[in-house]
Formats: sequence, C-alpha cells, structure tokens
Amino acid sequence: EADIYQTPRYLVIGTGKKITLECSQTMGHDKMYWYQQDPGMELHLIHYSYGVNSTEKGDLSSESTVSRIRTEHFPLTLESARPSHTSQYLCASSDPPGLAGYQETQYFGPGTRLLVL
Amino acid sequence: GEDVEQSLFLSVREGDSSVINCTYTDSSSTYLYWYKQEPGAGLQLLTYIFSNMDMKQDQRLTVLLNKKDKHLSLRIADTQTGDSAIYFCAERGPSGSARQLTFGSGTQLTVLP
Repeated sequence: EADIYQTPRYLVIGTGKKITLECSQTMGHDKMYWYQQDPGMELHLIHYSYGVNSTEKGDLSSESTVSRIRTEHFPLTLESARPSHTSQYLCASSDPPGLAGYQETQYFGPGTRLLVL
Repeated sequence: GEDVEQSLFLSVREGDSSVINCTYTDSSSTYLYWYKQEPGAGLQLLTYIFSNMDMKQDQRLTVLLNKKDKHLSLRIADTQTGDSAIYFCAERGPSGSARQLTFGSGTQLTVLP
C-alpha cells in the first residue's frame, strides 16, 4: 500500500487566483512526479524531481511551478489560475532501483480535480 | 518519440475473460506496467513485467509480452464488476535514461452483469 497523499481532492476556484496543490509521501522516495490528466485522456508528465532542490520540467509544457525543499513534500503552484488549467493533477513517487535491476515503480496519489471558473 | 497505444474501450460479460492490448514503439523499453484507475481516483499499480520476460501471472492477472512485435497484453480471468475501470499501459526506457514513464491513453473496461 503506497503512502502518498494529495490535498485538496477537489478544488473549484475563480480565474486569477493563486493555488497550491499539495503532495506528500511518507515512503522516503527521492523521485517525485506531477502528471496532468484531462478526462478520459492519457497522463502527461509536467514536472519531476530527483530529490531535494532538484526540479525539472516534463514532456508537457505547463504554467505551473514546483518546489522540493523536503524529500516528502512536492507542492505544485499556479500563480494565476485560468480555465485552461482545469484538469486532474496526479502526483507520484518512485522507489529506488532494486538490487536486481532498474525497476522504479511509480506510486500514485488519489489526484486533485481542479476546476477554474 | 516514444509512443504507447491502446484501444479506448472494451466491454465484457461478468465471468468472462478480458484482454486489454497495448503496443509501444521503443525497442529499448526495460519495464512495462499496467495501472488501473477507478473513477475519481489515482492510478493503482496492478503489475509490471521486465522486458526479458514473456509472461507473468499474478492471481487473475496474466501479462503477455511479445518483444519482437512490441505488444503487451493484460488478461483478467473471471472478470468482475469491480474490475470496471480505465487500464493504462506504461513503458520505461533503459536504465540511466532521463526519460520517465510513457503512458498510453487508457482502455475503459466495462463489465456487464
């Protein structure tokens, strides 16, 4: 059972507001990820982190920013929310490569559904 | 770039077997994964297979990998209504590569009573 949490689960907010989506994991994983998923669509990686003070942009360009000050915490921030940001945001973390090889299973949080009016 | 493709929908009768198919383009893929997503929830890892294996079985789940054709399938035996969900196939590149997981678009499995 993975211990990765996201808050809030649902958020409805007006255009122009600043929002922060929280993601925490208690597994001590170094690698963490943020994905964006539109309804019925595939996941797109928007940010990832290899550890504290390490953040990288993913495959899909995003106006959001992330920070990694603590291993267990990987928040995502939108400075000024717009309707085009309406989506589901999934956070994940992965365990280190196993001794037998490079496995790195990703464990996902429950997601945050964001609606920007 | 890397690409993972799945059919969008599959319907089966309760008690029948379900087979969800996935194709990928990157021949250097090392691990291939199946995730399940129930409505309103995150992704739950179901199983994974290393690229040098051709089959893996775990209770009702059987994963088949044809590396030559770059084809992956997930078979669910005795499908139940609780298996209704979206199933995502994902692949990972070789060790040391900067590339993370590449996901397919997901297959919506509907189990009919």
